[in-house]
Amino acid sequence: EDKVVQSPLSLVVHEGDTVTLNCSYEVTNFRSLLWYKQEKKAPTFLFMLTSSGIEKKSGRLSSILDKKELFSILNITATQTGDSAVYLCAFTGAGSYQLTFGKGTKLSVIP
Amino acid sequence: GAGVSQSPSNKVTEKGKDVELRCDPISGHTALYWYRQSLGQGLEFLIYFQGNSAPDKSGLPSDRFSAERTGGSVSTLTIQRTQQEDSAVYLCASSQEFADTQYFGPGTRLTVL
Repeated sequence: EDKVVQSPLSLVVHEGDTVTLNCSYEVTNFRSLLWYKQEKKAPTFLFMLTSSGIEKKSGRLSSILDKKELFSILNITATQTGDSAVYLCAFTGAGSYQLTFGKGTKLSVIP
Repeated sequence: GAGVSQSPSNKVTEKGKDVELRCDPISGHTALYWYRQSLGQGLEFLIYFQGNSAPDKSGLPSDRFSAERTGGSVSTLTIQRTQQEDSAVYLCASSQEFADTQYFGPGTRLTVL
């Protein structure tokens, strides 16, 4: 059965810290992995990764995919209170367009 | 124009009643998806539309759930004879044709009393 596991489930850090969120997956015929940020209800798209070893970067956020070891990480540097959210990892597999989500990592950034 | 919109934002209903949830995708997006997020659970796929056709309905949990899309735009998710376990946030997303990046709406929080 295809699945995605995120760790840790929750994390509390101080402003200015750097955090690394983990996502491991098992999927037949992997096609892409996506990261979303969910603050209230609507998940907001962050990154999509399809190729191994190529880092995607946007400001203080970056992500990389390892297709051999079947995982991805999301890094946030110099965290701010506005980074507090649930971060969701999802994948797509061949022949399907549905996203299969992990349960998310809840990040709390305290001043 | 703007992002994905959904209505209503909140819906409270009594057990056994039917409800309709509406989704208006991003203009030009041919693909539309419905997901459900229950308390403490991850997002769960329900159904996928490409245009007005639904090639993947594999996530609909029972025959009480149905969805349609007309004019390649607005979609309605209908839940008949609601049960308390249907209480969740129902999220709609849209994407360009055959693209993996999906953009989500704000969701409808359904509470079944």
